[in-house]
Amino acid sequence: GAVVSQHPSWVICKSGTSVKIECRSLDFQATTMFWYRQFPKQSLMLMATSNEGSKATYEQGVEKDKFLINHASLTLSTLTVTSAHPEDSSFYICSAGTTNNEQFFGPGTRLTVL
Amino acid sequence: GNSVTQMEGPVTLSEEAFLTINCTYTATGYPSLFWYVQYPGEGLQLLLKATKADDKGSNKGFEATYRKETTSFHLEKGSVQVSDSAVYFCALGYGAAGNKLTFGGGTRVLVKP
Repeated sequence: GAVVSQHPSWVICKSGTSVKIECRSLDFQATTMFWYRQFPKQSLMLMATSNEGSKATYEQGVEKDKFLINHASLTLSTLTVTSAHPEDSSFYICSAGTTNNEQFFGPGTRLTVL
Repeated sequence: GNSVTQMEGPVTLSEEAFLTINCTYTATGYPSLFWYVQYPGEGLQLLLKATKADDKGSNKGFEATYRKETTSFHLEKGSVQVSDSAVYFCALGYGAAGNKLTFGGGTRVLVKP
């Protein structure tokens, strides 16, 4: 099956620093990638949708200047959390969408901001 | 807006017991419905889906039927195993590429031997 990887799997950073999370589709090309945030024992909340070569579309309430998304190729999207604060600590999950109406999810990245 | 509601867990069962996880939705138009499973330490995996009313999705002994009249997509399995212990998410989405999913809150299932 289709595989999506995320790197790093976990990261700890100091408040005020920026963190970049990579999402890669390993054996297929993804025209669309999605970024979700999952709080402990809660559901996934869609943050933004990105299409290769174009600007990401952010969901209401998500700060686009804080959560920078780049989708430079059909196999790579990155999420950068800028000037991270403790409230940004969460589990960030990406998924890659195919033209066959399916999404394949990465294993997630746990971010802890001290 | 769209929303998905599923029963809260945790649900604790004995091996070979019958499992039902209720899921209801509110949506415009004709969404597709999905069940995803998240095993400990892993990413979400698609378990089954149904794209139109009265469709039944099935996989690994799990089944769910798209009921438009009751706006439901309940997940069932006749005989669970310890390996079915996981968090199950009900979701809805639209369209082809660019399928924005709306998830329910997730239900944690623990199967004891």
